[in-house]
Amino acid sequence: AQSVTQPDIHITVSEGASLELRCNYSYGATPYLFWYVQSPGQGLQLLLKYFSGDTLVQGIKGFEAEFKRSQSSFNLRKPSVHWSDAAEYFCAVGARDYKLSFGAGTTVTVRA
Amino acid sequence: GAVVSQHPSWVICKSGTSVKIECRSLDFQATTMFWYRQFPKQSLMLMATSNEGSKATYEQGVEKDKFLINHASLTLSTLTVTSAHPEDSSFYICSAPSTGTEAFFGQGTRLTVV
Repeated sequence: AQSVTQPDIHITVSEGASLELRCNYSYGATPYLFWYVQSPGQGLQLLLKYFSGDTLVQGIKGFEAEFKRSQSSFNLRKPSVHWSDAAEYFCAVGARDYKLSFGAGTTVTVRA
Repeated sequence: GAVVSQHPSWVICKSGTSVKIECRSLDFQATTMFWYRQFPKQSLMLMATSNEGSKATYEQGVEKDKFLINHASLTLSTLTVTSAHPEDSSFYICSAPSTGTEAFFGQGTRLTVV
């Protein structure tokens, strides 16, 4: 069975500060890992994905994530947060067919 | 980039009526689409896999007779919530994988059953 755990329900960060969102997964095979962002009442936008290769993945909007197989983790980072980064962030695991299992999500609040 | 359009964005219906939600891939063909359900402040739960030209595959615990899925063409999948009740109120989102790129999500449909 596949599952995703996002330990942090809510994170508040100051604008300009760094951000790290945690994600741990359980998957029976080689995982395909994703981070999505959702604005209120909207669909999901893909930030980045990891299939294979370099374990440090660069995404859109200045985000990056690092795959650590030994820790079953795929944490998302951004060096300097902007107010527009306030949103809900979902980590997901699946296969290349994009049938995904999502974590519970982390709400990011950015304070001025 | 590729776009998936979901319609309607929101709908209010009376208990006992049926509601149809459409998911269209606008500039690519999608032999498979996925339907998710999201409760407030919660994650997305996969409901079913919609397969063009064949029956949908439902996840465990999802009532296939209540949530009818039709994937009649390579660009359109529909989800019909039949005999809707207040507990069916939720945010429904579809996704369509575009070969070799990524899965694109619709903007979601907020269903409220009164």
